[in-house]
Amino acid sequence: QSALTQPASVSGSPGQSITISCTETNSDVGSYHLVSWYRQYPGEAPKLIIYEVAKRPSGVSDRFSGSKSGNTASLTISGLQAEDEADYYCCSFASSRTLGFGTGTKVTVL
Amino acid sequence: QVQLVESGGGLVEPGGSLRLSCAASGFTFSDYYMIWIRQAPGKGLEWVSYISSSGGDISYVDSVKGRFTISRDNAKNSLSLQMNSLRAEDTAMYYCARPLMITFRGNIVISEIDFWGQGTVVTVSS
Repeated sequence: QSALTQPASVSGSPGQSITISCTETNSDVGSYHLVSWYRQYPGEAPKLIIYEVAKRPSGVSDRFSGSKSGNTASLTISGLQAEDEADYYCCSFASSRTLGFGTGTKVTVL
Repeated sequence: QVQLVESGGGLVEPGGSLRLSCAASGFTFSDYYMIWIRQAPGKGLEWVSYISSSGGDISYVDSVKGRFTISRDNAKNSLSLQMNSLRAEDTAMYYCARPLMITFRGNIVISEIDFWGQGTVVTVSS
């Protein structure tokens, strides 16, 4: 089943940009190009922030952007703010018709 | 507005059973695939199972195959997860969620998960 690897933690100062990577170790996953990203605050359900690699749902700040190159998807947060401190997960649907989540990244605003 | 409300969680001994339910409202339930996702304490998200709008397309993560059964009642706008032979490693918050499906290269695939419930806690312990 899908294996998506993220860095355990990423940190940055307010106003900086940070990038979270999501690397697919199952080559079947890369063929779908349908990576989505979710933000989760402690004690809350996750929330969709990026879908289909680079699209933003209505209401999500344009400080969030997504991209993909080969088997690695990336989430970039620009103009880092204190409210961005949370856990972030990538997600992708595999050709085996299973859904995989990334290992998760804790973002810390210094 | 879309609402997903889970229930049925609790404390159960290893080997026991639980049935989770998810009450959906605010959208045409019968038009959508539905999904269960879990999160063990302090751990990441793990997809558990999905079911198509008609119930004809079902899939499970390997670790629950043969033990968990997903089902839905479109007349009652309800999603269920019957969990048998529970193990300590099944301890988690269980979320009911709504995925969006698109046709990609001739296949119906999950594009994203646009709504999540608040979750129900399952604890498997003696």
